[in-house]
Amino acid sequence: QKEVEQDPGPLSVPEGAIVSLNCTYSNSAFQYFMWYRQYSRKGPELLMYTYSSGNKEDGRFTAQVDKSSKYISLFIRDSQPSDSATYLCAMSRTGGFKTIFGAGTRLFVKA
Amino acid sequence: EAGVVQSPRYKIIEKKQPVAFWCNPISGHNTLYWYRQNLGQGPELLIRYENEEAVDDSQLPKDRFSAERLKGVDSTLKIQPAELGDSAVYLCASSPKVGEQYFGPGTRLTVT
Repeated sequence: QKEVEQDPGPLSVPEGAIVSLNCTYSNSAFQYFMWYRQYSRKGPELLMYTYSSGNKEDGRFTAQVDKSSKYISLFIRDSQPSDSATYLCAMSRTGGFKTIFGAGTRLFVKA
Repeated sequence: EAGVVQSPRYKIIEKKQPVAFWCNPISGHNTLYWYRQNLGQGPELLIRYENEEAVDDSQLPKDRFSAERLKGVDSTLKIQPAELGDSAVYLCASSPKVGEQYFGPGTRLTVT
């Protein structure tokens, strides 16, 4: 079993829809939770990170962490065609910089 | 502020040939990472540097891969000899603190 599981998709939604992207993990030592966006033939771009549990909002993006369920989510409101990309979740333990990435979910937002 | 710079962007080599990748991190970022990303997968750590010290190289195939970070700034990753299975995108990232990594555009390696 992988430490971080992420549905590869693809996920296709109409423009303006609310998108929900999710990851599950098995290691309770993870304390830092990140979401990256990766466009085709580009490097991953940090979208959001949270420490421990709770919610964090930044514009159209909301990140949620549920440590009791070992489950994290990224919500995108009012999705745009420019949001079409692969979204990677990532996690790190406290005190260390080693980061484990999910396989990524491909998202397509149709105009 | 300039981002992480990598070169070359693309490289095609024959198997058994050597290849090297170069990375210049964001100024002031002491932590530098090299990752390998296969198609349809997330990045997998090869090596992590704190300044010039390699603090995590447990996933680096040391029989053919080597890396260095002289003076704690630029870094080079080398493969010698390359194998067909080494075809992937090699990503460099730098970090100012835990939870934040900034990636370069990557080097797409094709081994024929």
